[in-house]
Amino acid sequence: EDQVTQSPEALRLQEGESSSLNCSYTVSGLRGLFWYRQDPGKGPEFLFTLYSAGEEKEKERLKATLTKKESFLHITAPKPEDSATYLCAVQAGGNNRLAFGKGNQVVVIP
Amino acid sequence: DGGITQSPKYLFRKEGQNVTLSCEQNLNHDAMYWYRQDPGQGLRLIYYSQIVNDFQKGDIAEGYSVSREKKESFPLTVTSAQKNPTAFYLCASRTTGGGNEKLFFGSGTQLSVL
Repeated sequence: EDQVTQSPEALRLQEGESSSLNCSYTVSGLRGLFWYRQDPGKGPEFLFTLYSAGEEKEKERLKATLTKKESFLHITAPKPEDSATYLCAVQAGGNNRLAFGKGNQVVVIP
Repeated sequence: DGGITQSPKYLFRKEGQNVTLSCEQNLNHDAMYWYRQDPGQGLRLIYYSQIVNDFQKGDIAEGYSVSREKKESFPLTVTSAQKNPTAFYLCASRTTGGGNEKLFFGSGTQLSVL
């Protein structure tokens, strides 16, 4: 069974204080690892897809990296508007379903 | 604008009542999904459909039913057999194959029990 564990569950950051979110996964034949951002009461918004170990992708203050066992979402010099829950999901090869973690809830304090 | 539309935004169910959540997409996606989200929990898959007139149970299908009569539409019915229906319901869609298989999500429906 595919498993995704995200840590920490909740994180409070001062504005400008960089940090990283972790997504550990167990999957048979990774086909893709996905990061989403979700604001309260809204649907998740796509951020990144990573396909193979060593791959990195960036968008504004966010950078996602991937190893064979985990992915990190680095938030550099965060702003209050980066406050959200960040969801990680994995898709196994030959499987049309995604397995989601419980999310990392991030609050950035001005 | 292309996207996924869920309605209603808020829905209230009386005990013993069936309710239907609407999901429509104009992205020309083959695959559609229904997820349930509870506070502090990850998204759990209820049902999914890879093609019109075909669908499969997810991890928590009991008490729910779906249909896929049109490519654009994938309604979810929460039946009276679902004893704990209060949750945030998310519909999603995506293309199949081609390498870029990210999910696109709707804005969700919050279902509560009266």
